[in-house]
Amino acid sequence: GAVVSQHPSRVICKSGTSVKIECRSLDFQATTMFWYRQFPKKSLMLMATSNEGSKATYEQGVEKDKFLINHASLTLSTLTVTSAHPEDSSFYICSAKDRTNEQFFGPGTRLTVL
Amino acid sequence: AQSVTQPDIHITVSEGASLELRCNYSYGATPYLFWYVQSPGQGLQLLLKYFSGDTLVQGIKGFEAEFKRSQSSFNLRKPSVHWSDAAEYFCAVGPFQGAQKLVFGQGTRLTINP
Repeated sequence: GAVVSQHPSRVICKSGTSVKIECRSLDFQATTMFWYRQFPKKSLMLMATSNEGSKATYEQGVEKDKFLINHASLTLSTLTVTSAHPEDSSFYICSAKDRTNEQFFGPGTRLTVL
Repeated sequence: AQSVTQPDIHITVSEGASLELRCNYSYGATPYLFWYVQSPGQGLQLLLKYFSGDTLVQGIKGFEAEFKRSQSSFNLRKPSVHWSDAAEYFCAVGPFQGAQKLVFGQGTRLTINP
């Protein structure tokens, strides 16, 4: 089956710094990738839809200047949390859509901002 | 507006017992329904999905789900649970072929008693 990876799996950073999370589709090309955020014991909330070669589409309430998304190739999308604060601490999960329109999820990245 | 409700936040069953996790959805068009499982600190794994055809769908790990349009439900079942089934389970709904964003339920945490 299709495999999606995320790097890093865990990251701890200081408040005010920026953190980049990578999402890769390992064995298929993904023109569309999605970024979700999951709070403890909560559901997944879609943050944005990342389209290869174009600007990401952000969900209502998500700050596009804070959560920068780049989808530079058909196998890589990156999420950069800029000027991170403790309230940005969360579990970030990406998914990639294959040619059959099915979404495959990455293993997630645990971000802790001190 | 699309929404998914999983009425049970936490369920505990004994190993070997049967299991049913409830999911109700609200969707304006033909829904594409999913069940995902998430182990602690991990991403989501697709258990099964339904779009059309037979309303009883079989998935991986011995799970099945039944789509009932009249009740707007898509309950997940397993005849005999194993200790390894302990995890968080998410029901999700999407548009035609899941091409766009998925809306997730709040999740049901399953605990297995030995």
